[in-house]
Amino acid sequence: QVQLVESGGGLVKPGGSLRLSCAASGFTFSDYYMSWIRQAPGKGLEWVSYISSSSSYTNYADSVKGRFTISRDNAKNSLYLQMNSLRAEDTAVYYCARSRHGADDYWGQGTLVTVSS
Amino acid sequence: EIVLTQSPGTLSLSPGERATLSCRASQSVSSSYLAWYQQKPGQAPRLLIYGASSRATGIPDRFSGSGSGTDFTLTISRLEPEDFAVYYCQQYGSSGRTFGQGTKVEIK
Repeated sequence: QVQLVESGGGLVKPGGSLRLSCAASGFTFSDYYMSWIRQAPGKGLEWVSYISSSSSYTNYADSVKGRFTISRDNAKNSLYLQMNSLRAEDTAVYYCARSRHGADDYWGQGTLVTVSS
Repeated sequence: EIVLTQSPGTLSLSPGERATLSCRASQSVSSSYLAWYQQKPGQAPRLLIYGASSRATGIPDRFSGSGSGTDFTLTISRLEPEDFAVYYCQQYGSSGRTFGQGTKVEIK
């Protein structure tokens, strides 16, 4: 069965950095686009970024462009999100998701990132 | 960026009733690249509908999606107790992706 497990969240000071990871299993990871989506406490969903199956194409929300970098290692079945210059408004649960036909058909349980001094 | 506006914000209904949720886009969504998700408290979202009208794997047929262009609808034909949740639409047709703000379906 498809499993996505995020890790790497935690408390970080404004201006700091954090790297999130997502371990995938139960499917051929290298065949799929992958995405990061976040949800601030008590708020709705916000798409963050996606990456193509071979890493040749990435795209970012304007709110994170230039600060966040998505990457993947198909040999390790892993997805990453490097987050730099973090702000209070980046505080959220971060989900990784598998993308199929453009929609996100499987989601992890999320990892909480808190940006606070 | 395509902005998605969902209405109503909250829908108060009883089990067995029909739910109709709306999602309106600020510009046409190409190739009906519109999805619907369900989220329950403390859980990750679950894909219900993709391509505006195709049900995802394992989704009961009481859930249906319709629409094209800028107007899309999610219909739950008869609400079951487990259907009370928040529903989001998402477009993935333009270079970026966006979500609507969500509609909460609550028990009346």
